[in-house]
Amino acid sequence: AAGVIQSPRHLIKEKRETATLKCYPIPRHDTVYWYQQGPGQDPQFLISFYEKMQSDKGSIPDRFSAQQFSDYHSELNMSSLELGDSALYFCASSLYGYTGELFFGEGSRLTVL
Amino acid sequence: KQEVTQIPAALSVPEGENLVLNCSFTDSAIYNLQWFRQDPGKGLTSLLLIQSSQREQTSGRLNASLDKSSGRSTLYIAASQPGDSATYLCAVRDTGKLTFGQGTILTVHP
Repeated sequence: AAGVIQSPRHLIKEKRETATLKCYPIPRHDTVYWYQQGPGQDPQFLISFYEKMQSDKGSIPDRFSAQQFSDYHSELNMSSLELGDSALYFCASSLYGYTGELFFGEGSRLTVL
Repeated sequence: KQEVTQIPAALSVPEGENLVLNCSFTDSAIYNLQWFRQDPGKGLTSLLLIQSSQREQTSGRLNASLDKSSGRSTLYIAASQPGDSATYLCAVRDTGKLTFGQGTILTVHP
């Protein structure tokens, strides 16, 4: 069965650079979520989208922005990168609604030097 | 604000033992609860989803229970195997997002 696809899997950037992560949800899933997991930490919710509209917002820095496109894929844009942004970034998808199961991708590991 | 706590933080057991992982949450007004497995540096694999109206779910050697009123869930793993070694995360959904616990690091040694 198709899963959530994230790219790139690994990314190395310098401080103050910009990075873009992509997420392709499971076919027919219309809701996408982004999470950040720092070393030894639990995943923290950043932002979610339903039908290209932001549906919920968590602890996402102002330097970060995200959007969902008409084919339901989503991109997370991170600017003015800081050392503390080094983390594993997960995308998850589900069908719309609060009772659906979330399925996570393998994550994109961002290292900021 | 929802807070999720998992106990113990780490657990080491010999192969073949039955074990229980605990999860508690502060706000019982949840829609569902998911248990995940995470191998080091890898993604989150969904193990079980329990809706708020359900008391338990089973999948193979895994059984998860939910007591919503007391804000607790347990994950029971029967006949543990070395391949079960991983971090197990509990997450609750009370709005559009999941709130995770810190996880239990499980090591099953031969």
